[in-house]
Amino acid sequence: EAGVVQSPRYKIIEKKQPVAFWCNPISGHNTLYWYLQNLGQGPELLIRYENEEAVDDSQLPKDRFSAERLKGVDSTLKIQPAELGDSAVYLCASSTRAGVSSYNEQFFGPGTRLTVL
Amino acid sequence: AQSVTQLDSHVSVSEGTPVLLRCNYSSSYSPSLFWYVQHPNKGLQLLLKYTSAATLVKGINGFEAEFKKSETSFHLTKPSAHMSDAAEYFCVVSDDPDKLIFGTGTRLQVFP
Repeated sequence: EAGVVQSPRYKIIEKKQPVAFWCNPISGHNTLYWYLQNLGQGPELLIRYENEEAVDDSQLPKDRFSAERLKGVDSTLKIQPAELGDSAVYLCASSTRAGVSSYNEQFFGPGTRLTVL
Repeated sequence: AQSVTQLDSHVSVSEGTPVLLRCNYSSSYSPSLFWYVQHPNKGLQLLLKYTSAATLVKGINGFEAEFKKSETSFHLTKPSAHMSDAAEYFCVVSDDPDKLIFGTGTRLQVFP
């Protein structure tokens, strides 16, 4: 079974430019997460989707960040315009949704390492 | 509010010696606790999880962790380190299945 796929793996851009990251979750996983991982830190949740609905975007900086999950499968995270402080690793994860109170393992992709110059 | 503190940013051991990665947590509820491992250029992988069942939890690759409520700790151990164990390890706390709170990570180095 294929894991979570992310592309590109690496991206270098100049500040003020736009950038987009793509994620393909594990087949059948209806919950999708985007995380931000700064250097030397643990991942922090940016946004969570249940199918195509963004059910938790409270930590997403909406002035420059946007995300979509068309048809409830693949997802794209966009930054426009990028700032120097956006340099980090952007992780995508997916899980099933067996029940409201049960824990469902999140499976992570390898991430996209963004460098903003 | 929940939080997790990983007490060591780096741990170095020799191959074949025991591994101890320390984690303390803070939570208002009975939390679920996890350890994830991150190898270079690979996705985070779940090592083990505690969800209010047995306090001693066994995970993959010979790792285990013990939940100690009185000490608010969830330390990760392995009796004998292998070179392939070298990676970044994250302790995670959660009282909501969809919200994982990660620690800052411990980098494990294994010397031959």
